[in-house]
Amino acid sequence: NAGVTQTPKFRVLKTGQSMTLLCAQDMNHEYMYWYRQDPGMGLRLIHYSVGEGTTAKGEVPDGYNVSRLKKQNFLLGLESAAPSQTSVYFCASSPEGEQYFGPGTRLTVT
Amino acid sequence: GQQVMQIPQYQHVQEGEDFTTYCNSSTTLSNIQWYKQRPGGHPVFLIQLVKSGEVKKQKRLTFQFGEAKKNSSLHITATQTTDVGTYFCAGYGAGGTSYGKLTFGQGTILTVHP
Repeated sequence: NAGVTQTPKFRVLKTGQSMTLLCAQDMNHEYMYWYRQDPGMGLRLIHYSVGEGTTAKGEVPDGYNVSRLKKQNFLLGLESAAPSQTSVYFCASSPEGEQYFGPGTRLTVT
Repeated sequence: GQQVMQIPQYQHVQEGEDFTTYCNSSTTLSNIQWYKQRPGGHPVFLIQLVKSGEVKKQKRLTFQFGEAKKNSSLHITATQTTDVGTYFCAGYGAGGTSYGKLTFGQGTILTVHP
């Protein structure tokens, strides 16, 4: 099992550009999450999904959109990137309770 | 909204010394989880506590959940260089589900000097 994978690992965007981060899990977990991690801020929940076709807002959803068209995939989109979105993005999945994290995507917006 | 505070933010210890990090929630929690993140890595689940006053041990690590289910602690006995990393607590609010919004503390960065 690969567990939770994220693509890409690194990305540099210019302000205003768009991109999609892909998260995939092969553990048949119902629940999936997107977090951002900034120094001194811990992990902040952006959006999450409790099953295929569902999404919900987390703590910091503004500027992001998500889709869960397939159970194993959870996509995070940035429509118009801003420097404030420079961060490390982690995806996680969960059967219920403990969460399993992917390796992260380091995004820089210039 | 629910807030989870963790102290200290940083802790430097000599190898062999003990280490403790504390977690406090502004609201009652249904359960609390602890994660470890090695430098450059991703968070890895360590343990979940559910019951009031619960204490669990994993080798040199001892986890406690407060009687009021609003605070928790992680204690490491005789630290080793392999303990280096950031330790996060995270909790689900009381009355919530176990798959919804998990609120993380800011983490405690542990450095161990050999």
